[in-house]
Amino acid sequence: DTAVSQTPKYLVTQMGNDKSIKCEQNLGHDTMYWYKQDSKKFLKIMFSYNNKELIINETVPNRFSPKSPDKAHLNLHINSLELGDSAVYFCASSHDRGRYNEQFFGPGTRLTVL
Amino acid sequence: TQLLEQSPQFLSIQEGENLTVYCNSSSVFSSLQWYRQEPGEGPVLLVTVVTGGEVKKLKRLTFQFGDARKDSSLHITAAQPGDTGLYLCAGANTGGFKTIFGAGTRLFVKA
Repeated sequence: DTAVSQTPKYLVTQMGNDKSIKCEQNLGHDTMYWYKQDSKKFLKIMFSYNNKELIINETVPNRFSPKSPDKAHLNLHINSLELGDSAVYFCASSHDRGRYNEQFFGPGTRLTVL
Repeated sequence: TQLLEQSPQFLSIQEGENLTVYCNSSSVFSSLQWYRQEPGEGPVLLVTVVTGGEVKKLKRLTFQFGDARKDSSLHITAAQPGDTGLYLCAGANTGGFKTIFGAGTRLFVKA
């Protein structure tokens, strides 16, 4: 009964390839996010969806395209992978636009681009 | 742009010692959260503070929100090896979806 799940856990790929990461939450939350955590552990928001609508896009390259088929799912597709894309990507969810915006995170996907 | 600065960045202490981690900003936040992240896992929410001057306790952890709601501290009493991890503070504003994270404090408690 995992709250926020991501697949895959690890992803190793060559430069130039296209890859996808999937995320699902069973908390009934309305808002989902993608974060990137770099090697220094800094957690930076990339995208946020509320009720399947994109509401935050933090100047992420166009190679990154999120898709939310429904409120419980938010996938991340990355085209033409670059070395600098290597990082841990976290999916998270929160309960709608609240005062607190408390985040529930998935276990992360470690992406390594060779 | 709202920023949260955490200090110290790294902390290595002996079991039984006390420590305090600070989270500071020049901006006001509606609420401030503290998360703990262990290696290979996602951050886990520890607490949310919402009122200026508020103090919350979670066993040996004490969290305080500054009166002006611009800063917060996390105090751990008698640290244990199980407290080892990355502690992240995060600020949020009412009506917004964006949560701003600090760079984190890496704590290592030696047995």
